[in-house]
Amino acid sequence: DAKTTQPPSMDCAEGRAANLPCNHSTISGNEYVYWYRQIHSQGPQYIIHGLKNNETNEMASLIITEDRKSSTLILPHATLRDTAVYYCIVTPGRRALTFGSGTRLQVQP
Amino acid sequence: GAGVSQTPSNKVTEKGKYVELRCDPISGHTALYWYRQSLGQGPEFLIYFQGTGAADDSGLPNDRFFAVRPEGSVSTLKIQRTERGDSAVYLCASSSTEGKTQYFGPGTRLLVL
Repeated sequence: DAKTTQPPSMDCAEGRAANLPCNHSTISGNEYVYWYRQIHSQGPQYIIHGLKNNETNEMASLIITEDRKSSTLILPHATLRDTAVYYCIVTPGRRALTFGSGTRLQVQP
Repeated sequence: GAGVSQTPSNKVTEKGKYVELRCDPISGHTALYWYRQSLGQGPEFLIYFQGTGAADDSGLPNDRFFAVRPEGSVSTLKIQRTERGDSAVYLCASSSTEGKTQYFGPGTRLLVL
């Protein structure tokens, strides 16, 4: 699976949009971009995924660049409950997910 | 509907003992995965089942670790002769079928003294 690079940590003010970047310059044509988050002491929670097109659901939006070498997860109105480690994962969707270190997002009141 | 459940939520054992960790996947999900997460790290893949068979066990660290899924639903991860280095959170995930989105359980926190 392609490697991903994420900043180790980010801060965001409550109520503002949180934009979490991810680089995946070696992504292959059949690989999806998945985002999970892990709130302290809980299992990873699925957020969103996409292949080429931008995606939106009730939790977040995923913007994938045209060359697919990077993506951004957008939480439109961050709340304190969004404080978590966010993982960007690139996978062909076969079997195992390969988690990196993720981005620790701290939402500030 | 009910998500993935794991029992026990916490397990404390002594070095050298045998432990079993249980995972109940989302009803109807045919694919089941086990991961292990050490403190401060992301989850690491252990083994994956499609139905009753282990399709990929390449992540199991050694032969002390074994997992079964005899009826294609509940799975048990078994660790023999536990070592202190086995202390971690053991996570289970399931997906409707191979290649689909994986949904995780809350994990079992194993502490080997």
